[in-house]
Amino acid sequence: DAGITQSPRYKITETGRQVTLMCHQTWSHSYMFWYRQDLGHGLRLIYYSAAADITDKGEVPDGYVVSRSKTENFPLTLESATRSQTSVYFCASRGTGGNSPLHFGNGTRLTVT
Amino acid sequence: AQKVTQAQTEISVVEKEDVTLDCVYETRDTTYYLFWYKQPPSGELVFLIRRNSFDEQNEISGRYSWNFQKSTSSFNFTITASQVVDSAVYFCALSGAGGTSYGKLTFGQGTILTVHP
Repeated sequence: DAGITQSPRYKITETGRQVTLMCHQTWSHSYMFWYRQDLGHGLRLIYYSAAADITDKGEVPDGYVVSRSKTENFPLTLESATRSQTSVYFCASRGTGGNSPLHFGNGTRLTVT
Repeated sequence: AQKVTQAQTEISVVEKEDVTLDCVYETRDTTYYLFWYKQPPSGELVFLIRRNSFDEQNEISGRYSWNFQKSTSSFNFTITASQVVDSAVYFCALSGAGGTSYGKLTFGQGTILTVHP
């Protein structure tokens, strides 16, 4: 089915471990995004990508790494997880039109202990 | 820098009441886009509406209506005759049409709407 899929849905990890959140979309959208959602902060942009091999920082990029070797995939890696990175992470994609809405995945709830 | 403010953190109403969710934005872009998203208790983010900065017509879709006023930089959302299923977190968002803000949505903090039976 067409859409945007995030995995895993839930993840518990320990401080200091590396963890990768996966995102896959089947629309061939150029733009992909990673947001984190925290109470009181709404959704904040971590990283985004305008096309394969093109990525750029968002509002809160520290502690995160992204890559985009293929248009359909946009993984987010926490190199050394910290408790402050406990959050719900949303991946999104959109088409090239400036007014195209973002389409979101179902989110990954990450807990860092 | 772009900014979206949803001053109402939480709103509680009784079913069938009308409710308005406020959204105020700041941008230096002359062309921009505004969005509303709904996040029900199940957690997914659902796109509701998009508005272009050059189109100030208000819009009505069933029980939902949106009032865009460029002069006050506001894009308010009204639910008429609210229902329990409207209970959700509602986000207002802004995207620029060019430069560094192109395509990236800046979200407000969200308004938690609870509709009681």
